[in-house]
Amino acid sequence: GNSVTQMEGPVTLSEEAFLTINCTYTATGYPSLFWYVQYPGEGLQLLLKATKADDKGSNKGFEATYRKETTSFHLEKGSVQVSDSAVYFCALSDSGGYQKVTFGTGTKLQVIP
Amino acid sequence: DSGVTQTPKHLITATGQRVTLRCSPRSGDLSVYWYQQSLDQGLQFLIQYYNGEERAKGNILERFSAQQFPDLHSELNLSSLELGDSALYFCASSDRGDSYNEQFFGPGTRLTVL
Repeated sequence: GNSVTQMEGPVTLSEEAFLTINCTYTATGYPSLFWYVQYPGEGLQLLLKATKADDKGSNKGFEATYRKETTSFHLEKGSVQVSDSAVYFCALSDSGGYQKVTFGTGTKLQVIP
Repeated sequence: DSGVTQTPKHLITATGQRVTLRCSPRSGDLSVYWYQQSLDQGLQFLIQYYNGEERAKGNILERFSAQQFPDLHSELNLSSLELGDSALYFCASSDRGDSYNEQFFGPGTRLTVL
């Protein structure tokens, strides 16, 4: 079956540091890939997505590139802010038509001033 | 605010009891999804409905059931509750049910089973 593996957290960075959160996946077919973010006390919200190989999703300074050859979708940001502190989930969605989404375990990011 | 509402926000009950969680999707969204988030299991997909019909099933226990009503709101019923059912239950919605669409998540219902 499908699976998503994320680097374990928590990740603690100083403000303006470079962020990478690794995500690799196992899937049949051609899944869509997503990064969701969960701020404290809230539900998940979509951060970015990519629907085919070599697509780059980007939003709010975050980027991730769909790499089919390495089955990866690593999240990056050049300069993190305290407000980026949250839990980040990598996810994939079946390509079979109905949206059965598989989430990674989440990576908690803490940014300190 | 995602536009997805969930009630109640918190629920405390005892083992063996039955509870109903309610979700109202964003206006115009036809698909509703239910997830369970716990510390040991992470975020688990439970079930998806599209326009009143069940479309995909994940790790949903037989003690759990769900339905989507004609007005598109959905309810998740949890029965014979066990301590291990304590978790945050999220509902999400999307306008269609296919693989490419963003899901919009509600704020969740925190269930505590004592």
